[in-house]
Amino acid sequence: DVKVTQSSRYLVKRTGEKVFLECVQDMDHENMFWYRQDPGLGLRLIYFSYDVKMKEKGDIPEGYSVSREKKERFSLILESASTNQTSMYLCASSLFHRGQSPLHFGNGTRLTVT
Amino acid sequence: ELKVEQNPLFLSMQEGKNYTIYCNYSTTSDRLYWYRQDPGKSLESLFVLLSNGAVKQEGRLMASLDTKARLSTLHITAAVHDLSATYFCAVDGSSNTGKLIFGQGTTLQVKP
Repeated sequence: DVKVTQSSRYLVKRTGEKVFLECVQDMDHENMFWYRQDPGLGLRLIYFSYDVKMKEKGDIPEGYSVSREKKERFSLILESASTNQTSMYLCASSLFHRGQSPLHFGNGTRLTVT
Repeated sequence: ELKVEQNPLFLSMQEGKNYTIYCNYSTTSDRLYWYRQDPGKSLESLFVLLSNGAVKQEGRLMASLDTKARLSTLHITAAVHDLSATYFCAVDGSSNTGKLIFGQGTTLQVKP
């Protein structure tokens, strides 16, 4: 089974702090994604990556950056956390098979910015 | 810009009843996915629909895809309490890259 592991289940940070959310997958997947989930809005794509050191913006990249130095690890960075970034963050991975592979999700990190 | 809309957003139903969740999307795509999320848990893949007319069934759930109408349905037959969850549809956003755009989710509550 694919395992996507997010380093923290719950995080509480202060406004202005730099926040790192870590995600590791163990199935040698090429694609990795960061989504945020908010009630009534579904999941919205922040950033994604098809390969090491490659990244592309999703629909809501403002206030975020990402890093992919190794194939199995994809980090989401909040440069200066704000209260409107309080949310559930979900990492996912998939095989690069022309989009036919479903996403495999981690358990999520619930971030609260105070 | 691709938009994905589900309806209803909330569904309360009695055990044993049938119902359908609808997923409409705004631009051409022939890849559609259904996921389930239990409270406090992550998303679990249910179905992958890869062509027009595709139909997949597992247990009391059946999903179908009509790419011409840009519509997918998730049909629930004889609902049971264990099906209570939030269901999301998602469409491949661009050039079959695996980048998925999600609907808002439909929260299903099955009452005894």
